[in-house]
Amino acid sequence: DAEITQSPRHKITETGRQVTLACHQTWNHNNMFWYRQDLGHGLRLIHYSYGVQDTNKGEVSDGYSVSRSNTEDLPLTLESAASSQTSVYFCASSPTTVTGELFFGEGSRLTVL
Amino acid sequence: AQSVTQLGSHVSVSEGALVLLRCNYSSSVPPYLFWYVQYPNQGLQLLLKYTSAATLVKGINGFEAEFKKSETSFHLTKPSAHMSDAAEYFCAVSAQGASTDKLIFGTGTRLQVFP
Repeated sequence: DAEITQSPRHKITETGRQVTLACHQTWNHNNMFWYRQDLGHGLRLIHYSYGVQDTNKGEVSDGYSVSRSNTEDLPLTLESAASSQTSVYFCASSPTTVTGELFFGEGSRLTVL
Repeated sequence: AQSVTQLGSHVSVSEGALVLLRCNYSSSVPPYLFWYVQYPNQGLQLLLKYTSAATLVKGINGFEAEFKKSETSFHLTKPSAHMSDAAEYFCAVSAQGASTDKLIFGTGTRLQVFP
């Protein structure tokens, strides 16, 4: 079965360190997204990509970057982790550019001390 | 611009009781509306969606939602709650035909089901 996997599922890091969260999907979807989930805020879009070599900033992109070198992967990098980036991060993919169903990974819980 | 409001961050029901989770939206153009469910330690999965066809939308696990333009609402209901329905539920809105990055999520409603 096709799926979307995130790693690591849990990570603790220190302020100032660089962190990369991996996202790999086998749906062959062109469209991939990173969200963060925080209490009281729901899901907020960090970055997204509509194809290889395409990346775009979302609502809360400061301090984050992504790269898209192939269809399957969209890693999310925190250049210099801050305590405000403690959150649960979800990767998602979609078969269509127009709003439709999003397929989510199981999430990566990041704690920045 | 679109926005969505979920009334009640927590809802508790007894097993077998009606489930009603409220969602109101704001949109200057015809909307697409979605309900997603998140079970503990899992990602979100689509429960149902409204994309301008029938106003009463049926989803998985016995859930349904009715699009009411006059009330700008898209409430989620289930006639009889089951213990396995305990989860967090998110309403989301976008403009019809908008790209996926324009999808706006609500803040979520946590449903507890008591035996």
